[in-house]
Amino acid sequence: GAGVSQSPSNKVTEKGKDVELRCDPISGHTALYWYRQSLGQGLEFLIYFQGNSAPDKSGLPSDRFSAERTGGSVSTLTIQRTQQEDSAVYLCASSLEVEDTQYFGPGTRLTVL
Amino acid sequence: AQSVTQLDSHVSVSEGTPVLLRCNYSSSYSPSLFWYVQHPNKGLQLLLKYTSAATLVKGINGFEAEFKKSETSFHLTKPSAHMSDAAEYFCVVSPSRGAGSYQLTFGKGTKLSVIP
Repeated sequence: GAGVSQSPSNKVTEKGKDVELRCDPISGHTALYWYRQSLGQGLEFLIYFQGNSAPDKSGLPSDRFSAERTGGSVSTLTIQRTQQEDSAVYLCASSLEVEDTQYFGPGTRLTVL
Repeated sequence: AQSVTQLDSHVSVSEGTPVLLRCNYSSSYSPSLFWYVQHPNKGLQLLLKYTSAATLVKGINGFEAEFKKSETSFHLTKPSAHMSDAAEYFCVVSPSRGAGSYQLTFGKGTKLSVIP
């Protein structure tokens, strides 16, 4: 079956602009996660959703970052007023239930000029 | 609290020789342990997972890992490297159940090069 998909695969933006990153989880997966992979920090947890609710937003690096999930399916990660330090690969994962194995998408590479 | 240390940032082997990627973990809870692989410009793919059943875990593509509680290690091995194994490998820990079981903690990764 189809895996986790993310769009766009690459995004180049100018400092100060807002960006939206999209994640389509595996059909039927109730849990969805966002991670950031950057050269200096490795892979960091950002936020997870159980259904449409986000019980843990502790990994979001600042209030410029937000995420939502609608219909228990698609999720959007929004970064406002982007900064150069936001440049990274943003990975999305989903799992059948919260304690189950997480399956990752291919990521969105964000470059902030 | 939990953490993962991958002891080598880069490992280079010749094709057909054994692969050993080392991982040590620290966890306050009974852990689940994973190895993921990331090929260039691709997402993370699950290789194998340990969840307190057998201590020797077999994964895809001939990889296996052994959970050693006394050594807090979860090293990844493969008897014979193939060119297609060249990638970055991540050792990952999470609590096996309960609060925070969703939160994966990643090692910094080991880049495996395979020499023809």
